[in-house]
Amino acid sequence: GQQVMQIPQYQHVQEGEDFTTYCNSSTTLSNIQWYKQRPGGHPVFLIQLVKSGEVKKQKRLTFQFGEAKKNSSLHITATQTTDVGTYFCAGPNYKLSFGAGTTVTVRA
Amino acid sequence: EAGVTQFPSHSVIEKGQTVTLRCDPISGHDNLYWYRRVMGKEIKFLLHFVKESKQDESGMPNNRFLAERTGGTYSTLKVQPAELEDSGVYFCASRQTGASYNEQFFGPGTRLTVL
Repeated sequence: GQQVMQIPQYQHVQEGEDFTTYCNSSTTLSNIQWYKQRPGGHPVFLIQLVKSGEVKKQKRLTFQFGEAKKNSSLHITATQTTDVGTYFCAGPNYKLSFGAGTTVTVRA
Repeated sequence: EAGVTQFPSHSVIEKGQTVTLRCDPISGHDNLYWYRRVMGKEIKFLLHFVKESKQDESGMPNNRFLAERTGGTYSTLKVQPAELEDSGVYFCASRQTGASYNEQFFGPGTRLTVL
C-alpha cells in the first residue's frame, strides 16, 4: 500500500531560524495535503497541493510539490514560538495516509 | 458554525471491557472518517462513511471494532473487547462533498487508555 515518509521526525529550531521538513511517497500522488497539530490538539488543515511543481505560500510558510508528484516540502522562515507543533503531510484525497509527522520545538 | 465534536475526550478502561466513542461531524458534511494515532506513530485511517454507508473500512484493525453511522449524522465506534494495543487517540474528521479543497475537519479526538 501507499506509504508516506516524513523527515526529520524531530526538529528543534532556534527562534528566528528557518527549517524545512520533507515528505516522500512511495507512489505518485494526485494531490497532497499538509496539516498542523498543536500539542494536545488535533490536526488542522493548512494547504493542498495538486499540480506538479506547485509552490504555495502562506506568510512564512512555503509549500512545494515535486515535479514527479512523489515528494513535497514545507519550509518555514523566521521560526516563531507559534510554529510549535507537529506537521503532517497526507494524501491523497479522501483516504488520507499520513506521514509520521515532524515535531517542531522552538527555543527562544 | 460548530466544528466536529467527539465524546468522550478521555476514556480509561480495563482490558476486556467495551468502549463506545461518538463523533458528531459538521452539519451538512456527508463524509465522515475515523483515524487513530498510537503514541509516537503516524495517524492511521480506519474507515470512511458517505452518509450512512461505509465507503471504505479497509483500515479497521479487526472485528473487535465496529463503526456505525445510522441516519447519516453522528457516528459511533465501538471497541469490544478492548485490548492493550487499542490505546491511542481516535480522531474523527468530516468533509463536505464537492468542496474545492479535500480539506478534512478534525475533531479534538478521544484519548483511549486500555489498562
